[in-house]
Amino acid sequence: NAGVTQTPKFRVLKTGQSMTLLCAQDMNHEYMYWYRQDPGMGLRLIHYSVGEGTTAKGEVPDGYNVSRLKKQNFLLGLESAAPSQTSVYFCASSYPGLAVYEQYFGPGTRLTVT
Amino acid sequence: RKEVEQDPGPFNVPEGATVAFNCTYSNSASQSFFWYRQDCRKEPKLLMSVYSSGNEDGRFTAQLNRASQYISLLIRDSKLSDSATYLCVVNHSGGYQKVTFGTGTKLQVIP
Repeated sequence: NAGVTQTPKFRVLKTGQSMTLLCAQDMNHEYMYWYRQDPGMGLRLIHYSVGEGTTAKGEVPDGYNVSRLKKQNFLLGLESAAPSQTSVYFCASSYPGLAVYEQYFGPGTRLTVT
Repeated sequence: RKEVEQDPGPFNVPEGATVAFNCTYSNSASQSFFWYRQDCRKEPKLLMSVYSSGNEDGRFTAQLNRASQYISLLIRDSKLSDSATYLCVVNHSGGYQKVTFGTGTKLQVIP
């Protein structure tokens, strides 16, 4: 059981480049989330999904797009990277119901935009 | 005022000491409360939920004070392995998208 995995682990982009971060979970969780973590800011929700084929905006969605074509995968896209998107990105998943608040996180992707 | 506030620390304590962290929240309608632990450059992991009646898990005790709008985490007999950042997490009004993470309190246990 791998839990939640993220690829890549590290990436450096130039301003204006695009990339996709992949999150995969093997726990059959319905809900999946993308967060970013910046110093002094805490974890902030970018987008989330309550099931295959559905996505919704979180607190800081601008500049990002997501897709959930398969239940086990949640993709985060940056169409035109900006230095303000330099951050650590965490994917998480959870069961519905009361257990939704126990979120299982992936190891993170460290992204630098120059 | 931030929705969830924590003292960033660091709290430097000797092994065996007792240490307590507080976390305040601004929304009186908040419903659920949790403590997560995050090791340096690692992902957060759920440490424990915080129940209205308070709850204990080994050396860890979590309490909720709704009147003053804060939750606390007490760690007894600190171990070197307790060194980490502790994140306070609050669910404001129902719904997974309303979960807010605090910025964390850093604990360093010294030999």
